[in-house]
Amino acid sequence: EAGVVQSPRYKIIEKKQPVAFWCNPISGHNTLYWYRQNLGQGPELLIRYENEEAVDDSQLPKDRFSAERLKGVDSTLKIQPAELGDSAVYLCASSYDRGLAGEAFFGQGTRLTVV
Amino acid sequence: AQSVTQLGSHVSVSEGALVLLRCNYSSSVPPYLFWYVQYPNQGLQLLLKYTSAATLVKGINGFEAEFKKSETSFHLTKPSAHMSDAAEYFCAVTGIQGAQKLVFGQGTRLTINP
Repeated sequence: EAGVVQSPRYKIIEKKQPVAFWCNPISGHNTLYWYRQNLGQGPELLIRYENEEAVDDSQLPKDRFSAERLKGVDSTLKIQPAELGDSAVYLCASSYDRGLAGEAFFGQGTRLTVV
Repeated sequence: AQSVTQLGSHVSVSEGALVLLRCNYSSSVPPYLFWYVQYPNQGLQLLLKYTSAATLVKGINGFEAEFKKSETSFHLTKPSAHMSDAAEYFCAVTGIQGAQKLVFGQGTRLTINP
């Protein structure tokens, strides 16, 4: 069974440019998460989806970040425009049992560098 | 609300020695607790979890953790370290009710000396 797939693995962009990350969760997983992991820190939740619905986006900086999960499968996270402080690893995770967030499976992440 | 504190951002042990990574949590509701491991340039992999059943939890790769409510702790141990255990370890907590938000600690980098 394929795991959570993220692309690209690495991205370098100039500040003020847009960037998008893509995530394909494990087949059948209804819950999808986007986390941001700053250097030397633990992951922090940006947004959580139950199927197509964003049920927790309280930590998403909505002035520049947006996300979508069309058809309740793949998801895209976008930043526009990017700032230097957005440099981080963006992790996607998915789970099947909505009642137990810890059963999440993580992708390898996208390492974003904003210069 | 939940939070996690991992004591020691960097732990170094010799191969074959005991591994002890410390985690203390704060939770306003009964918690679920987890340990994840992250190898370089990889995502997070679940090591073990506590979900209000047995307080001593065994996970993969010989790791185990004990939930101690009185101490609000969930320390991770392994009797004998192996070189392949070198990685970043994260403790995480979520409440069993309400929002299913997994809150992570800052992480502990484990180094194994030959």
